[in-house]
Amino acid sequence: GNSVTQMEGPVTLSEEAFLTINCTYTATGYPSLFWYVQYPGEGLQLLLKATKADDKGSNKGFEATYRKETTSFHLEKGSVQVSDSAVYFCAQNYGGSQGNLIFGKGTKLSVKP
Amino acid sequence: KAGVTQTPRYLIKTRGQQVTLSCSPISGHRSVSWYQQTPGQGLQFLFEYFSETQRNKGNFPGRFSGRQFSNSRSEMNVSTLELGDSALYLCASSSTGGWNTEAFFGQGTRLTVV
Repeated sequence: GNSVTQMEGPVTLSEEAFLTINCTYTATGYPSLFWYVQYPGEGLQLLLKATKADDKGSNKGFEATYRKETTSFHLEKGSVQVSDSAVYFCAQNYGGSQGNLIFGKGTKLSVKP
Repeated sequence: KAGVTQTPRYLIKTRGQQVTLSCSPISGHRSVSWYQQTPGQGLQFLFEYFSETQRNKGNFPGRFSGRQFSNSRSEMNVSTLELGDSALYLCASSSTGGWNTEAFFGQGTRLTVV
C-alpha cells in the first residue's frame, strides 16, 4: 500500500551546517508530496510541497525535489539555524484529498549554537 | 484570520469512558480532517469531513466517530476508551480538501487515558 519512509532521528547539527533528511515513498499513481514541521507544543505547519515529478518545493531556505525515478523527496537546507530545531514530517496525499495525508514517522532535528 | 482551534487542549479520562473533542476550522474552510499522533505509530489519518459528510475514513475501529456541523465545526468522539487511545489528536482544515489545497493544523488535544 501507500507509505512514506523517512530517516530516523534524532539529528543533531551545529549552526550553519548542511541538512539533509531523506524521504522515500511508495504509491499507486502520482501523489503530491509535502514536508510539514512541528515545533514544540504546536501543531503541524506546511513547510513546502511539490505536486508533480521534477517539481521543486522551497520555503525559508528549505528545498525538496520530487524525484519520480527514485520515489524520493529529500529535504535540504544549506545552513541551519537554532530556530530550525523541530520535528520534520514527510507526507504524501492519497486518494486525491488533503484529508488522506500519509505521514512518515518524523525526524527530530536539534541545532546547537 | 483566526487559525484552527481545538478544545480542550488537555484531557484526562478513565478507561471505559467516552470523550468528545472539538475543532473549529478556519473561517470559510469546509474540509476538516482528524489525525491521531502517538510515539509508536506516528501520525495516522482518522477521517475527513466535507460539508457535513464523511468523505474519507482511515483504518480505526468503530469506537472512533465524528461529525461536522453546518458551520463546518467538527467533533470527534471516542467511546469505551482504552489505554492505547492516549495520544495527541490533531485537526486540520482546508478550503476544499482537494489534493492541491493546503491543510492547516490546530495545536491538538492531548488525551491521556488512565
